[in-house]
Amino acid sequence: NAGVTQTPKFQVLKTGQSMTLQCAQDMNHNSMYWYRQDPGMGLRLIYYSASEGTTDKGEVPNGYNVSRLNKREFSLRLESAAPSQTSVYFCASSVVGSTNEKLFFGSGTQLSVL
Amino acid sequence: QQQVKQSPQSLIVQKGGISIINCAYENTAFDYFPWYQQFPGKGPALLIAIRPDVSEKKEGRFTISFNKSAKQFSLHIMDSQPGDSATYFCAASYGGTSYGKLTFGQGTILTVHP
Repeated sequence: NAGVTQTPKFQVLKTGQSMTLQCAQDMNHNSMYWYRQDPGMGLRLIYYSASEGTTDKGEVPNGYNVSRLNKREFSLRLESAAPSQTSVYFCASSVVGSTNEKLFFGSGTQLSVL
Repeated sequence: QQQVKQSPQSLIVQKGGISIINCAYENTAFDYFPWYQQFPGKGPALLIAIRPDVSEKKEGRFTISFNKSAKQFSLHIMDSQPGDSATYFCAASYGGTSYGKLTFGQGTILTVHP
């Protein structure tokens, strides 16, 4: 049981390049999330998906797109990377409706945009 | 726009001591307040959570104290151990589509000296 798996773990991009961060969960969770973590700012929600085929913007969605391919997979795409997108990206999943909704996070993708 | 403010940024405690981390929130619609623990190179993991209908919740050495009128909540770690050395994040969310759409505090780096 792997939980939430993110690939790649590290990536260096040049300004203007594009890339897709992959995320998959094997816990049969309905909801999935993308957060970014920056020093001194905690984690901020980029996008959220309540179920397959639905997505919703979070606090910082500009410059990103997402795809909920199926119940297991939720990808994050940077169409034209900018230095401001240098960050650690975390994917998470959770079960909708639990009293204490618990997010299960992946190990993160460390992205540097030069 | 930081809706959840966390302090201190860093904290050094001796083994066996009490670690206290404080958070204040602005949005009165928040009704779910979890704490997450993060070790280096890992994603955050849920530690303990509270809802505003109780003033305190205890799980082992970890206690959340909640003050609704002051819009503040805190994490107390009793008998702190070197293994507790990690970054701690408070967070808040409200019902609707998902309690997983969290607003995080800035984080506190806790170091427990042996």
